[in-house]
Amino acid sequence: DSGVTQTPKHLITATGQRVTLRCSPRSGDLSVYWYQQSLDQGLQFLIQYYNGEERAKGNILERFSAQQFPDLHSELNLSSLELGDSALYFCASSVSGDLGQPQHFGDGTRLSIL
Amino acid sequence: KNEVEQSPQNLTAQEGEFITINCSYSVGISALHWLQQHPGGGIVSLFMLSSGKKKHGRLIATINIQEKHSSLHITASHPRDSAVYICAVSRGSQGNLIFGKGTKLSVKP
Repeated sequence: DSGVTQTPKHLITATGQRVTLRCSPRSGDLSVYWYQQSLDQGLQFLIQYYNGEERAKGNILERFSAQQFPDLHSELNLSSLELGDSALYFCASSVSGDLGQPQHFGDGTRLSIL
Repeated sequence: KNEVEQSPQNLTAQEGEFITINCSYSVGISALHWLQQHPGGGIVSLFMLSSGKKKHGRLIATINIQEKHSSLHITASHPRDSAVYICAVSRGSQGNLIFGKGTKLSVKP
């Protein structure tokens, strides 16, 4: 058990809809990362937060947004969903997000767009 | 060309065999990570290293910074080692990871 909790585990929705994925980091970790794993692109970094502030941005679409709340949990919002957004979405956390720190991954949210 | 390349893509071994998975990268890195993804999808961090060698149980990870190459070795492989092994690197001052495409390992009893 990594200590990182992601909900829901599975999400099925339709094109055009909006969903929110939730992540609670490991106790004591201040940094949260969001990653997307799709069949064609593999694992890709989306966005990183540290103590409530955005720290780094990767291949995140404009239709996607995220935030980290004062209690350090994070939410990834996906809107105007397209079939290609079907993927596994992982959250990971680390103590501060600096160099030399391992990341602890949640079990992922599997998003299926019908 | 991907910044992180792994080989082989697929690997089948008999129980007890010594296994090596290779990772090459083309960019400067601050650290290299080996991850294990179970058939159910969950990801476990196995190693993070920036130099030398690390060992945990039957798993050994090595890195050669000059050659931009890392290897993950599994000694006395077991069917429960069957999983996808992913190499990832972090660059610069940020911790976010760039991933290889993974090596799917199947260990037969």
